[in-house]
Amino acid sequence: DAGITQSPRYKITETGRQVTLMCHQTWSHSYMFWYRQDLGHGLRLIYYSAAADITDKGEVPDGYVVSRSKTENFPLTLESATRSQTSVYFCASRQYSGAYEQYFGPGTRLTVT
Amino acid sequence: GENVEQHPSTLSVQEGDSAVIKCTYSDSASNYFPWYKQELGKRPQLIIDIRSNVGEKKDQRIAVTLNKTAKHFSLHITETQPEDSAVYFCAASKVGNRDDKIIFGKGTRLHILP
Repeated sequence: DAGITQSPRYKITETGRQVTLMCHQTWSHSYMFWYRQDLGHGLRLIYYSAAADITDKGEVPDGYVVSRSKTENFPLTLESATRSQTSVYFCASRQYSGAYEQYFGPGTRLTVT
Repeated sequence: GENVEQHPSTLSVQEGDSAVIKCTYSDSASNYFPWYKQELGKRPQLIIDIRSNVGEKKDQRIAVTLNKTAKHFSLHITETQPEDSAVYFCAASKVGNRDDKIIFGKGTRLHILP
């Protein structure tokens, strides 16, 4: 579990500000994912990436941007934060397509005021 | 896209009794069904999974069953203990497919009553 980290762990920002959440994994896993967790909605997929420079939209991508220039990093950017984006954000990774277990980072609690 | 429904949203059982959580999925191409446990303030962690070529899998007090025809799968916890209190998520995925991503249900909060 120590192989996947997120920063910051807690963040408070104002509406309209740009915020970037970082995700770093040391396993050289091909697949990386961003989820948001809200009460009553479970874990919803925002974006995912099968490899460096390959990204795809998930269930709730609006208002978010991702990039993956290096295999180990998968930052998530909120271009103009809104209160509805207040949530706990989890990054996850998996070794490659065909490998099954997905490992989650510790999460980032984001509050938009 | 894939849609995973999970029931119930909350479940309370007496310590020592069994708990059952049920899920359905919509995409018949899904072939991998993991279950994650999330304790309060912590990250989700895999507790058991089943692949589409298997109907049942057991690991000590935890078992999962899969009915591909009906597109539903269930988690069974026997002899429940206080440490089983947590939120449980079912999920579905098409492993090996280009559209290989895990979609989760909304979760079940399990309370173990003393």
